[in-house]
Formats: sequence, C-alpha cells, structure tokens
Amino acid sequence: EVQLVESGGGLVQPGGSLRLSCAASGFSISDHYMDWVRQAPGKGLEWIARTRNKPNSYATEYAASVKGRFTISRDESKNSVYLQMNSLKTEDTAVYYCTRRIGGSWAFDYWGQGTLVTVSS
Amino acid sequence: DIHLTQSPSFLSASVGARVTITCRASQGISSYLAWYQQKSGKAPKLLISAASTFQTGVPSRFSGSGSGTEFTLTISSLQPEDFATYYCQQLNNYPLTFGGGTKVEIK
Repeated sequence: EVQLVESGGGLVQPGGSLRLSCAASGFSISDHYMDWVRQAPGKGLEWIARTRNKPNSYATEYAASVKGRFTISRDESKNSVYLQMNSLKTEDTAVYYCTRRIGGSWAFDYWGQGTLVTVSS
Repeated sequence: DIHLTQSPSFLSASVGARVTITCRASQGISSYLAWYQQKSGKAPKLLISAASTFQTGVPSRFSGSGSGTEFTLTISSLQPEDFATYYCQQLNNYPLTFGGGTKVEIK
C-alpha cells in the first residue's frame, strides 16, 4: 500500500526555520517526481516545490513565494523527501502536503495526511 | 503564470442532481489538467487526470472533459458523499497552479 507520512510541523517564530520530512512506503521514490503542496487555513491549494528523479538529474522547481527560502531534497536510501524552510513568514502558515506525481498524466496520485506549520510570534 | 478560474466558486445542489464545474485556463495547457476532491480536514484526492481519465476506484458518475483552455468536471448524479470542495490543477507549466476551488453543498 502506498503511503506518504509527513512530520516536522509545529509552531515557529517569524524568521525561524523548520524541516519537514515525508516518509514514503509501498513504492520507491527513485521512480517518481515528488512535490510539496500547501494550504493556508481556510484557503485553496498552492504548489510550492518539486524534486525530479535521477533520470532527470534530481532537478528542482519552486514557486516564487518560497524560492530562495525553501529547499526540497530527497534521500532515496531512506525513501524520504524533505522540505527545509528558512526565513519563515507568517504567510507560510499552512498545512503542508507531500505528494507523488504520476508518470503519464503528471497529476498527483497520492497525498500525505499533511503537517501543520504555524508561523507566529 | 497560468491562472485557472473555476466557476462557480460555490454551488448548492440536491442529491441526484447533475452538477458541472468549469475550469478555464489563462492560456492553453493541452490536456494537462487534473481534478481533485477535498473533504473537510482531509488531504485532496485525485479524481481525474489528463483532463478526462478517471482514477481507479473513482465512481463512474464523475467525468471530465476539455482541452486547451476550457475544462469541465461533471457529476452525473450527486451523492451524499460527494459534498466537498473540488479543485482543478494545471500541470503543463511552472509554477503548477490550482483553481480557487468549488465548494459543493447540500441544498
């Protein structure tokens, strides 16, 4: 069974840092692009980061709202994906979801349960 | 950035009703569009990929159509478990973007 389990969320002050983890099971992340999507309280979905797979040189992409502050990475030996978040702002408060991309249609076929990040003083 | 406009943003319908949600893209995205269903407090669930391909396990009352800039999600006969928020997503260009969502409520 495919599962994505996020962890690492919590309360952090503005300007602080946090590292989110996404542990995958039931499949190998080496075969997939992996993404992070967030959802601010009561708001819609926002894609924020992508890590491609090895055939695509593990290249990354970011939304403008997080570029230069957030870094996505992967550790295939642990079958895990990470999101290092620095210089956090109050507007980064959201539930953060880890997702897996389908190879053919490029949609996100599996999502984790999400982890809440609250940026507040 | 490609902007996706969903309409309506809210709809109230009865069980058994036929419901159509529209997603318009600010520029052509071929068929790189997905539809997700999100229930309160839960992660989104993929319903339709490639504009019209429904995922395994998704009821056949859900269907998707369109290409280019205009897409629709249709629920042929609304069931109690379908009351949720629906989002479209374009996967053709970075940044990947979502529509603003359509909340479907019980009439």
